[in-house]
Amino acid sequence: QKEVEQDPGPLSVPEGAIVSLNCTYSNSAFQYFMWYRQYSRKGPELLMYTYSSGNKEDGRFTAQVDKSSKYISLFIRDSQPSDSATYLCAMRTNYGGSQGNLIFGKGTKLSVKP
Amino acid sequence: DGGITQSPKYLFRKEGQNVTLSCEQNLNHDAMYWYRQDPGQGLRLIYYSQIVNDFQKGDIAEGYSVSREKKESFPLTVTSAQKNPTAFYLCASSIPRDYGYTFGSGTRLTVV
Repeated sequence: QKEVEQDPGPLSVPEGAIVSLNCTYSNSAFQYFMWYRQYSRKGPELLMYTYSSGNKEDGRFTAQVDKSSKYISLFIRDSQPSDSATYLCAMRTNYGGSQGNLIFGKGTKLSVKP
Repeated sequence: DGGITQSPKYLFRKEGQNVTLSCEQNLNHDAMYWYRQDPGQGLRLIYYSQIVNDFQKGDIAEGYSVSREKKESFPLTVTSAQKNPTAFYLCASSIPRDYGYTFGSGTRLTVV
């Protein structure tokens, strides 16, 4: 079992839809959870950052962490064509050294159609 | 503005040739990383460095080499031993154990 699992999609939705992106993980030591957005031929950019469990909201984006289920989600409300990108989840422990490196999901490719 | 600069944006390599990808950051980050990204494979860690003059192999280090002589620079050499080098290469940096990584805009390497 991989440490982080993410459905690669592709996911296609109409403009204005609510999008749900998810990752599951196996390492109960993960404490920090992130979502990155990557446009085609660009580097990933940090979109959301959450520590431990709970929700975090930023505009149209909401990140949720359920540590009991080892499951994280990113919701996008009122999706726009400009949201079309690949979304990568990432997480890490609080350990130092290599054990503190980020572990990435493979990314979900999202397309929002006008 | 602070950030990470990768150069060149596009690079072409002939068979049997070594090439070096540049990565420079002015964020004063201690840690730097190199990833390879292939379609459907996600990000795969090649090398990382948490301090100057020290670096460790990642998951796919074979055929690659790095150096970390300065805090702000972490060049990656793709050697002729790397049999399938065509990929998108990403450099990143971070403050260890703090937030996430900041990525550069990537270098697309193609074997011709």
